[in-house]
Amino acid sequence: AQSVTQLDSQVPVFEEAPVELRCNYSSSVSVYLFWYVQYPNQGLQLLLKYLSGSTLVESINGFEAEFNKSQTSFHLRKPSVHISDTAEYFCAVISTGYSTLTFGKGTMLLVSP
Amino acid sequence: EAGVAQSPRYKIIEKRQSVAFWCNPISGHATLYWYQQILGQGPKLLIQFQNNGVVDDSQLPKDRFSAERLKGVDSTLKIQPAKLEDSAVYLCASSPGTSGHTDTQYFGPGTRLTVL
Repeated sequence: AQSVTQLDSQVPVFEEAPVELRCNYSSSVSVYLFWYVQYPNQGLQLLLKYLSGSTLVESINGFEAEFNKSQTSFHLRKPSVHISDTAEYFCAVISTGYSTLTFGKGTMLLVSP
Repeated sequence: EAGVAQSPRYKIIEKRQSVAFWCNPISGHATLYWYQQILGQGPKLLIQFQNNGVVDDSQLPKDRFSAERLKGVDSTLKIQPAKLEDSAVYLCASSPGTSGHTDTQYFGPGTRLTVL
């Protein structure tokens, strides 16, 4: 079976501070990993994904995530957040042999001035 | 490029009533997904279409839910009869290829269903 755990339901942070949103997955086979973001009143959109190759993947707006196979993690980080980063972030996984993308429960990132 | 369109955006019904949701994917996208997102949880796949064929409906409660994608374009999801636990946001997504969930999925704004 495959599963995703996002331990933090909310992460409050001040503008320009660094942030890390945690994601751990459970799977006994190879995985593909995704971060989706949902801004207020908008649909989910892909932020970044790991399929193969370099374990560090980056998005166009300064987020990065590192695939750590030994720790079964895919944490999302940004060195300096903006007010506009306020959104809900979902980690998702699909394992080889599975046909279903499994999402975590989401982490609400709240950036305040 | 127009995004994934869904209607209605909001729907309130009484239990045991029927309801239908509509989705228009991005033009040319071969794969269409319907997800259910209950408050406080991540989206859960209900059904996946590739063109007009069903690829995966293993998590669709078939006794009350049905979906179709005529002509491989628009899709409708129906619930009949609705139960209280069906209250959720129903998300439609589409992806351009047919290689499965490694494709980027593009999501619509969702339909928020409240069952009273």
